Amino acid sequence: KQEVTQIPAALSVPEGENLVLNCSFTDSAIYNLQWFRQDPGKGLTSLLLIQSSQREQTSGRLNASLDKSSGRSTLYIAASQPGDSATYLCAVFQAGTALIFGKGTTLSVSS
Amino acid sequence: DGGITQSPKYLFRKEGQNVTLSCEQNLNHDAMYWYRQDPGQGLRLIYYSQIVNDFQKGDIAEGYSVSREKKESFPLTVTSAQKNPTAFYLCASSIRVGTDQPQHFGDGTRLSIL
Repeated sequence: KQEVTQIPAALSVPEGENLVLNCSFTDSAIYNLQWFRQDPGKGLTSLLLIQSSQREQTSGRLNASLDKSSGRSTLYIAASQPGDSATYLCAVFQAGTALIFGKGTTLSVSS
Repeated sequence: DGGITQSPKYLFRKEGQNVTLSCEQNLNHDAMYWYRQDPGQGLRLIYYSQIVNDFQKGDIAEGYSVSREKKESFPLTVTSAQKNPTAFYLCASSIRVGTDQPQHFGDGTRLSIL
């Protein structure tokens, strides 16, 4: 059964730092991996989707990489800002139904 | 603007009561999903629907029921059989249940027990 793990569970950094969030999954037979942002009490906002055939995707200050063979993905956030404070969720899609989620990394960026 | 609307934002349930959470989308998506989120946990799939009049159980379907009579609507009923319903419920949709389609989420409904 697929399991998705996100490390660290929480992270605090000063404004301006570059940072990396990690996601690992146990079964490499995935179709895609998606990174989401969740603000407190809100739904999820899709940040990046990486197909299994891709190595990375970029959007603005965000860059997500995927190494399917090792079961790892990273989300790189450049020049962090207080507005980046949120919980970041990683999810993988396999044949069948819907996404399988990690528990998230809660990021706090101080000014 | 296209999107997913969940209502109500907050809902309270009494013992032995069934309650229904609404989810409407105007994205013309075929697939819709219901997830449950508990504090400090990832999202877990309750039910999903690939097309009108079709739905399948997810990982934690016990105590829940759904219907899909219209493409744009996928209501979730939390029945009295669900003994621990307090959670944050999220509805999502995608163009189809496929390999390259991202899921879009509503703002959620927070259900609590009175």
